[in-house]
Amino acid sequence: EIVLTQSPGTLSLSPGERATLSCRTSQSVSSSYLAWYQQKPGQAPRLLIYGASSRATGIPDRFSGSGSGTDFTLTISRLEPEDFAVYYCQQFGRSPLFGQGTKVEIK
Amino acid sequence: EVQLLESGGDLVQPGGSLRLSCAASGFTFSSYAMSWVRQAPGKGLEWVSVISGGGGSTYFADSVKGRFTISRDNSKNTLYLQMNSLRAEDTAVYYCASVVTSPVYYFDYWGQGALVTVSS
Repeated sequence: EIVLTQSPGTLSLSPGERATLSCRTSQSVSSSYLAWYQQKPGQAPRLLIYGASSRATGIPDRFSGSGSGTDFTLTISRLEPEDFAVYYCQQFGRSPLFGQGTKVEIK
Repeated sequence: EVQLLESGGDLVQPGGSLRLSCAASGFTFSSYAMSWVRQAPGKGLEWVSVISGGGGSTYFADSVKGRFTISRDNSKNTLYLQMNSLRAEDTAVYYCASVVTSPVYYFDYWGQGALVTVSS
């Protein structure tokens, strides 16, 4: 079974800084099956990135996704106050799996 | 505007049953696979089940297989999750989500969630 490992667990940054979030899979996965979601407290997850690098509708261009094989990255180029949240990567195989999440908190 | 509205969440005793509903609007419901994803208090996201657009194919996480059933009524634009033999570890917020498939795969729109608490 594929395992998704996100790192770091928590990222403490200031507004305006760059955030780099990692998602590693235990087996190679197709980029078509890799997505990223943002979740704020008390809210449902929101789709950010699909197909490893395509932004969902309405997502600002400061969010970008990259990677292939077993290593994928979500980058937020300049953090805005509304970007502090938990981010999940997700692999859509026969049994869809989520990573454990990375919390981006205000430093 | 796409809307997914879950209902049916409640407090239920261990071993009990509960049925969640998810009313969909703003898109062609029957054209999309639909899924349930849950989140235990303070924990991450866990996929539970998925059903094809026509309802003929269903898949479940091992943690709920044999206890949960997913179904849909395309005439009512509604998704269901029948949960039986509930356990304390099933306590979670349950989200319904639309699924985009082929050539890329992801959960597109999400409902606001329904809280299921399993406790005596």
